[in-house]
Amino acid sequence: EDKVVQSPLSLVVHEGDTVTLNCSYEVTNFRSLLWYKQEKKAPTFLFMLTSSGIEKKSGRLSSILDKKELFSILNITATQTGDSAIYLCAILSGTYKYIFGTGTRLKVLA
Amino acid sequence: DGGITQSPKYLFRKEGQNVTLSCEQNLNHDAMYWYRQDPGQGLRLIYYSQIVNDFQKGDIAEGYSVSREKKESFPLTVTSAQKNPTAFYLCASSPLRGTETRETQYFGPGTRLLVL
Repeated sequence: EDKVVQSPLSLVVHEGDTVTLNCSYEVTNFRSLLWYKQEKKAPTFLFMLTSSGIEKKSGRLSSILDKKELFSILNITATQTGDSAIYLCAILSGTYKYIFGTGTRLKVLA
Repeated sequence: DGGITQSPKYLFRKEGQNVTLSCEQNLNHDAMYWYRQDPGQGLRLIYYSQIVNDFQKGDIAEGYSVSREKKESFPLTVTSAQKNPTAFYLCASSPLRGTETRETQYFGPGTRLLVL
């Protein structure tokens, strides 16, 4: 059975801290791994990683994919209160099926 | 503006009642999806559709039904057979064809369904 596991489930840090969120997976027909940020309602896209692009960076956020060990990490440096959200990891399996993890709830204190 | 809209924002269902959640997109995307999100859980796939007049069950389709009569629209009906419908429902779409961005899903704002 396909599964995506995220850890930790929740995390509380102070502004300026660096956090690392984890996503491991066991999925048949892996196509790509996606990270989303969900603040109140709709998840918003952060990164997509595939076999051809195993590291992505955007400002204070960066992500890597280890296809051998079947995991990805999302790193946030110099955290701000606006980073408080649920971070979702999803795997695209085949053409159309997205499998989501449970998410990591991050709270950044001022 | 291009995007995905869902309505209503909140929906209350009485016992034994069927209710329909609306999802419309003007992104010209081929694929559309319905997910359910419960507290402490990720998104679970209810139904998806790759093309008009065709759709497939996801992991938790029991108690739900959909239709795809138009490319832009993918309504979800929560039937009385769904015994625990209270959840946050998210609709999404993706292009399926094109460049790398075809693998990204775009989400609507969601509908929160509550049972009276």
